[in-house]
Amino acid sequence: NAGVMQNPRHLVRRRGQEARLRCSPMKGHSHVYWYRQLPEEGLKFMVYLQKENIIDESGMPKERFSAEFPKEGPSILRIQQVVRGDSAAYFCASSPTGGETQYFGPGTRLLVL
Amino acid sequence: QKEVEQDPGPLSVPEGAIVSLNCTYSNSAFQYFMWYRQYSRKGPELLMYTYSSGNKEDGRFTAQVDKSSKYISLFIRDSQPSDSATYLCAMRVQGAQKLVFGQGTRLTINP
Repeated sequence: NAGVMQNPRHLVRRRGQEARLRCSPMKGHSHVYWYRQLPEEGLKFMVYLQKENIIDESGMPKERFSAEFPKEGPSILRIQQVVRGDSAAYFCASSPTGGETQYFGPGTRLLVL
Repeated sequence: QKEVEQDPGPLSVPEGAIVSLNCTYSNSAFQYFMWYRQYSRKGPELLMYTYSSGNKEDGRFTAQVDKSSKYISLFIRDSQPSDSATYLCAMRVQGAQKLVFGQGTRLTINP
């Protein structure tokens, strides 16, 4: 039973480029969460999605960041015009329903040069 | 002031020692409390999940929640070198899905 999958595991972008991070939830899970972990800091909530719906985006920066979870395919976290401050580990978690245990993926480490 | 405070350490103890990890929080609405373990360059792995106040034990791990003091603890008995990791406390309010994490405590168990 595969866990939460994220790809790529490592992503290098130059300032101004776009970054696309993908998350495939565990089988049977329809709720996805994105968190960001800056160096030497804990995880910070970004967004909570169900299939085709954004439920809570209170942690998303107002500009350049967007997320989706289409009916088919993985959830995508998109960062436009990346800046050095976007360098971080981005973790995706999933749960079968809302309010249940969140299982985390291995993360995508984004480095902006 | 952060909603959840956790001493980042590092904390270094000898193998076999009892380890105590703690978090304090300011939001009295938190009802669900979790401890995650994160190995270097890996994703967080759930260790313990507790609702409201009280104790919960699972093998060598015991989680305690004291809502009156807004204080949670994780105890590790008979610590092993494989327990060396960063331990993150997390919590959430009823009805909300987002987890609020502490900074994490880096723990090293020395053989």
